[in-house]
Amino acid sequence: SQQGEEDPQALSIQEGENATMNCSYKTSINNLQWYRQNSGRGLVHLILIRSNEREKHSGRLRVTLDTSKKSSSLLITASRAADTASYFCATDPSNTGKLIFGQGTTLQVKP
Amino acid sequence: NAGVTQTPKFQVLKTGQSMTLQCAQDMNHEYMSWYRQDPGMGLRLIHYSVGAGITDQGEVPNGYNVSRSTTEDFPLRLLSAAPSQTSVYFCASSTTSGPLTYEQYFGPGTRLTVT
Repeated sequence: SQQGEEDPQALSIQEGENATMNCSYKTSINNLQWYRQNSGRGLVHLILIRSNEREKHSGRLRVTLDTSKKSSSLLITASRAADTASYFCATDPSNTGKLIFGQGTTLQVKP
Repeated sequence: NAGVTQTPKFQVLKTGQSMTLQCAQDMNHEYMSWYRQDPGMGLRLIHYSVGAGITDQGEVPNGYNVSRSTTEDFPLRLLSAAPSQTSVYFCASSTTSGPLTYEQYFGPGTRLTVT
């Protein structure tokens, strides 16, 4: 079963625009992670936000977490063609290190 | 550091054949895991290990075996390959501290086709 559900499934924007992806989950969590996957490659960790945090920044990335709504969002500002990738949220609802991934959002940034 | 390495990168098997997907990490991580990724889907956990000698099942363990004799290596064995096991397989590792989960480092993947 998928713990995280990303929305939208696909997103296409122009370079320089902002991209927002959302993730909803079902059970309580200690933290939520976002990963990026370029075509044909492994996943790369972007950011981890803990349940007692509401917002976290890393460069052009901003992640928010609303535990009352069981949702998180990833904002990429001033997008670049190199941001073209799939983005996944992941949670560890059982606190055992067993990450549960959503199905991902495919982002295309057009130059 | 090489990080997480996987071999082979590509593999074609016939139904019923067996093989081992290799995974190694040089970061001294306690936690290692195997995922499979099917088209249009996220990653699903197959097996994981919290340290040498300790393994446990994930979401989709059927048809796969694992062992963890060293901290560095975590091979995944397919005993009798089936077409349903056609997928891309990723190995990952991370450090842990009690119940806290940290970022996972992924290998480049093995693309497996079973005919």
